[in-house]
Amino acid sequence: GAGVSQTPSNKVTEKGKYVELRCDPISGHTALYWYRQSLGQGPEFLIYFQGTGAADDSGLPNDRFFAVRPEGSVSTLKIQRTERGDSAVYLCASSLSGTGGNTQYFGPGTRLTVL
Amino acid sequence: AQTVTQSQPEMSVQEAETVTLSCTYDTSENNYYLFWYKQPPSRQMILVIRQEAYKQQNATENRFSVNFQKAAKSFSLKISDSQLGDTAMYFCAFMKRSQGAQKLVFGQGTRLTINP
Repeated sequence: GAGVSQTPSNKVTEKGKYVELRCDPISGHTALYWYRQSLGQGPEFLIYFQGTGAADDSGLPNDRFFAVRPEGSVSTLKIQRTERGDSAVYLCASSLSGTGGNTQYFGPGTRLTVL
Repeated sequence: AQTVTQSQPEMSVQEAETVTLSCTYDTSENNYYLFWYKQPPSRQMILVIRQEAYKQQNATENRFSVNFQKAAKSFSLKISDSQLGDTAMYFCAFMKRSQGAQKLVFGQGTRLTINP
């Protein structure tokens, strides 16, 4: 079956602009996660959704970052007034839920470059 | 808060050799899960192996096995008969055991190169 997909694969923007990154999870997965991976580092948690609601948004760095999942499937990560420090690979993952320890399946990521 | 440490930024071995990647973690939790993920240049994180902390038996998946030492909070990955396709970044990750979804906490990664 289809895996997690993310679009665009690469995004170049200018400082101060607004960007949207999209994640399409595996069908039937109710949990969806966003992580950010800076160059040479491991991924860092941003937010996760259980269904339509954000169950944990403790990793969002500031109020310029926002994510939605209105129908419990596709999610969009939104970044306002981008800064050069936002440049990173943004990874999305999904998993079955209901029991802990479910494997998270990752997408290929979106590489965001802020000039 | 949980932390995961991978003390080997880079490793390099010859094809067919065995290599061990180290990982230590810090947590006050008693029940949790540990994972090793592989990230090739394509960027996609791929699950290599998964260990449940309440199970004493070390997990194995074909050429991949772990040495899980709960008291020492150590979780190393052994790759036997290494292949060129094993070249990638490897990340160790921790997840609390809880009802429902939980976030992963990753280490900094080890860049593994398999030489022909």
